[in-house]
Amino acid sequence: EAGVTQSPTHLIKTRGQQATLRCSPISGHTSVYWYQQALGLGLQFLLWYDEGEERNRGNFPPRFSGRQFPNYSSELNVNALELEDSALYLCASSLEAGRNTGELFFGEGSRLTVL
Amino acid sequence: QKEVEQNSGPLSVPEGAIASLNCTYSDRGSQSFFWYRQYSGKSPELIMFIYSNGDKEDGRFTAQLNKASQYVSLLIRDSQPSDSATYLCAVGNYQLIWGAGTKLIIKP
Repeated sequence: EAGVTQSPTHLIKTRGQQATLRCSPISGHTSVYWYQQALGLGLQFLLWYDEGEERNRGNFPPRFSGRQFPNYSSELNVNALELEDSALYLCASSLEAGRNTGELFFGEGSRLTVL
Repeated sequence: QKEVEQNSGPLSVPEGAIASLNCTYSDRGSQSFFWYRQYSGKSPELIMFIYSNGDKEDGRFTAQLNKASQYVSLLIRDSQPSDSATYLCAVGNYQLIWGAGTKLIIKP
């Protein structure tokens, strides 16, 4: 069974540009989470989607946005890129929203570098 | 502000010894508790979860939860060099709050 897949693996952008990151959850998983992990720092929660709806978002500006498609895949958009947006962006999926929400399966991440 | 605190380490443990990792949390309403392992340059992977007070054992790993004292710990018995990683504690209900992680180094 395929795990969570993310693309692209690496992305280099310049300040002010837009970045789009994509995620395909494990088959049967309806919840998708996005996290930012800056170098040497912990996981910062960005967004949570379940059944196509945004369920929660972290303390990030509105230029971080996303959506979940009917097939439960998801994309994360970051507009007006800033240098501090350089980080590893991790996508995770879980079977369903609920008590076991923390049983997350992570993809390998997309490393975004902003120059 | 809901918080999860972990000692950043590094925690250095001799091979074969018991590694003890601790985590405290602020939200008394938390019901779910998770330990993830993250190797350098890799994504986190779930190694243990616990929902009830007490101990839960899985192979060399034991998770311990004490809701009254608001702490959760992870014990790794017979530590191996391959256990060297950063261990992330995550706590919550429908939404997880993550600790910054403890870096564990197992010395051969």
